[in-house]
Amino acid sequence: DQQVKQNSPSLSVQEGRISILNCDYTNSMFDYFLWYKKYPAEGPTFLISISSIKDKNEDGRFTVFLNKSAKHLSLHIVPSQPGDSAVYFCAATYSGAGSYQLTFGKGTKLSVIP
Amino acid sequence: GAGVSQSPRYKVAKRGQDVALRCDPISGHVSLFWYQQALGQGPEFLTYFQNEAQLDKSGLPSDRFFAERPEGSVSTLKIQRTQQEDSAVYLCASSLGPDNEQFFGPGTRLTVL
Repeated sequence: DQQVKQNSPSLSVQEGRISILNCDYTNSMFDYFLWYKKYPAEGPTFLISISSIKDKNEDGRFTVFLNKSAKHLSLHIVPSQPGDSAVYFCAATYSGAGSYQLTFGKGTKLSVIP
Repeated sequence: GAGVSQSPRYKVAKRGQDVALRCDPISGHVSLFWYQQALGQGPEFLTYFQNEAQLDKSGLPSDRFFAERPEGSVSTLKIQRTQQEDSAVYLCASSLGPDNEQFFGPGTRLTVL
């Protein structure tokens, strides 16, 4: 039973346009959400996060939106650049886990076309 | 380098062999995590250390999997009697503390023939 779902395995976007990556979760205990970016043959690198007490967090070209009632979050990249081409993982955790493990989705492969 | 390092980067094992995967966390990082990433999937939690104490091993898939961090720094993930379903990338992550950002290593790709 997948607790974090990324239903789009891939996404292609023209350079300069907006990329929107979506993520749904089922566990209502999750209270902290993260996006990681992964290039081939490298480990995931942290991109941006959001606490459940907020509905938006922005960092430069990257914005994460959280809709708790819908158990949905999205990552917006504006403007998209060819270097953004990578696999993006949505992850979630909750304070009560005790070990702070991250639960990941399957990832969305973003291709930004020059 | 200053990042998390893992060795070997690639490992091929015959079914039934034992393997040992090493993780060197960022110096001073108290927390260390192991994840398993199967092909086409996201990373899945295996186990967590705080210093030398293994506080959570709920994600280890079987008793063939064993992890240790005896001095609170380097960690080793050992898989005994490897099976084909153990083929995956094994990722190690470390963080200053359990609440802090996790920094991932490049992973070890294990292929069991």
